[in-house]
Amino acid sequence: KAGVTQTPRYLIKTRGQQVTLSCSPISGHRSVSWYQQTPGQGLQFLFEYFSETQRNKGNFPGRFSGRQFSNSRSEMNVSTLELGDSALYLCASSPQVGTVGNTIYFGEGSWLTVV
Amino acid sequence: AQRVTQPEKLLSVFKGAPVELKCNYSYSGSPELFWYVQYSRQRLQLLLRHISRESIKGFTADLNKGETSFHLKKPFAQEEDSAMYYCALGEPGNQFYFGTGTSLTVIP
Repeated sequence: KAGVTQTPRYLIKTRGQQVTLSCSPISGHRSVSWYQQTPGQGLQFLFEYFSETQRNKGNFPGRFSGRQFSNSRSEMNVSTLELGDSALYLCASSPQVGTVGNTIYFGEGSWLTVV
Repeated sequence: AQRVTQPEKLLSVFKGAPVELKCNYSYSGSPELFWYVQYSRQRLQLLLRHISRESIKGFTADLNKGETSFHLKKPFAQEEDSAMYYCALGEPGNQFYFGTGTSLTVIP
């Protein structure tokens, strides 16, 4: 099976712009979650989607949003970019076998630089 | 509140020496704990999960509810074990809390 695929891998945006990142989960996985990774804060949970519904949201401002499509692919959007949004954005998918204890599988991430 | 703590940012051991990467957690229910590893230029990948109680690449981790710990251990470190290790706690709905990571260097 192909792994979690994220596009684009690298991008540079200007402060104030918006950005959309895409994630294709492992085939058959219906849960997709997003994480922000920075040197200072480490890996932080953004949100999780299952069957096109957002089930959980982390402590991020409303500028961060996401959605999931019927084929389980997901996108996240960051509007009005700030310099502090520069980070590696990781997508992870899970087969969601049970309520807890599910392993999540990560993509390689999208490196966002805001200038 | 910090749910997962990895007290060591950097850890160096000699090849063949035992290694222990510490992880402490804070959770009121029954925790679902994982260790993820990131080798150089590779994606973050699962190393092991406590629920399966298996040994991967010689690593084991025991959940100690009394000490709220989930330390990762290996009796004999190998050079290929050099990597970044993250302890993680999974909540319902696949919301994971990660520690800040420990960078392990195995010295030849």
